[in-house]
Amino acid sequence: DTGVSQNPRHKITKRGQNVTFRCDPISEHNRLYWYRQTLGQGPEFLTYFQNEAQLEKSRLLSDRFSAERPKGSFSTLEIQRTEQGDSAMYLCASSARDRANSPLHFGNGTRLTVT
Amino acid sequence: GEDVEQSLFLSVREGDSSVINCTYTDSSSTYLYWYKQEPGAGLQLLTYIFSNMDMKQDQRLTVLLNKKDKHLSLRIADTQTGDSAIYFCAETDPGGYQKVTFGTGTKLQVIP
Repeated sequence: DTGVSQNPRHKITKRGQNVTFRCDPISEHNRLYWYRQTLGQGPEFLTYFQNEAQLEKSRLLSDRFSAERPKGSFSTLEIQRTEQGDSAMYLCASSARDRANSPLHFGNGTRLTVT
Repeated sequence: GEDVEQSLFLSVREGDSSVINCTYTDSSSTYLYWYKQEPGAGLQLLTYIFSNMDMKQDQRLTVLLNKKDKHLSLRIADTQTGDSAIYFCAETDPGGYQKVTFGTGTKLQVIP
């Protein structure tokens, strides 16, 4: 079990640029989640995949945000035309659907700074 | 909707017990979790409790659940400096996706 892996760890970008983050879940986990965490707050849910299907999106996920999980394995989160308010830690988590209790396992996150 | 509340800060002396409290609003949550976050890191799952349990003990950690009052607590026995971190309480979304809703976190400071 290598854990959930996220890349890059840090990203600094200028306002208006596009950024893409990658998440590799634990290999046998078919559920994948994206969360966003701002300073001093708990993580907030953004979106959820079961295999390749995106089953739920938060109202926090504006139309500048898009997430994909094309083959049901890794996932990408893209932010277009970044704004300073997008600066946050973006966390990915995975869990296994077929187990009665499968808690979310988180990666170390990608910290985005928009200047 | 779900809402999870925690006190923001707790300071204890090394060797003492720490008790971190949490209240939640969704009585149909199936699992309640405690996660630990160290600076610059992701969230580490510490322990969890199923909603039909009152207590769960795991080494130095004891979780107490009062479902009637929707109150969850985490007790850390013999608190060490390495326990200094932010602790998040979280409840599952009863909708079935195992999505969790987090509290704002309690920052635990352990004084040597």
